[in-house]
Amino acid sequence: DVVMTQSPLSLPVSLGQPASISCRSSQSLVFSDGITYLTWFQQRPGQSPRRLIYKVSNRDSGVPDKFSGSGSGTDFTLKISRVEAEDVGVYYCMQGSHWPLTFGQGTRLEIK
Amino acid sequence: EVQLLESGGNLVQPGGSLRLSCAASGFTFSSYAMGWVRQIPEKGLEWVADISGSGAKTFYADSMKGRFTISRDNAKNTLYLHMNRLRVEDTAVYYCAREVASESYGHFERWGQGTLVTVSS
Repeated sequence: DVVMTQSPLSLPVSLGQPASISCRSSQSLVFSDGITYLTWFQQRPGQSPRRLIYKVSNRDSGVPDKFSGSGSGTDFTLKISRVEAEDVGVYYCMQGSHWPLTFGQGTRLEIK
Repeated sequence: EVQLLESGGNLVQPGGSLRLSCAASGFTFSSYAMGWVRQIPEKGLEWVADISGSGAKTFYADSMKGRFTISRDNAKNTLYLHMNRLRVEDTAVYYCAREVASESYGHFERWGQGTLVTVSS
């Protein structure tokens, strides 16, 4: 199975400051069609997960442009340019290039 | 508006069975693959199973294979998860999630609100 490793697991950030979450996979996520199926989800307290970013860097409809995804191969990053109170929650990466589908452990973002 | 509404979660004894349902609305159900993802309380997300839009293809996590069965009724716009031989470690919130096309997997574009399954004696 592809192991997804996120860091840090806990991320205290001051309001208005940037935040960055790393996600590394145990093998390349480039699929046979040449596309890299790496997805980021946000789960706010008490809510269901919500997809933010798909195929490494594509923002979902309605997702603010302060969220950005980047990376390639086995190394990926989610960045928030300016953290706001509504960004508190847990962020997960997930790979969709190999069966079984696997998630990272999650990174808990909190306001410092 | 896309809506996914899970139901069927309950308290069940170890070794017991349960069927979860996910009622879909706001889109052409048969045009999308669907999946189940679970979350142990206060823990992370774990993929359970996926099914193609037609229902002809199914995929399972190893720990669920042989005990869980994913199915769908496209006439009723409903996704199911039949769970047998339940274990204490299956205790979790179970989410249904929509994929992006009939035979495209691992995207989970939209999620339901989840239903809690508790396995305990």
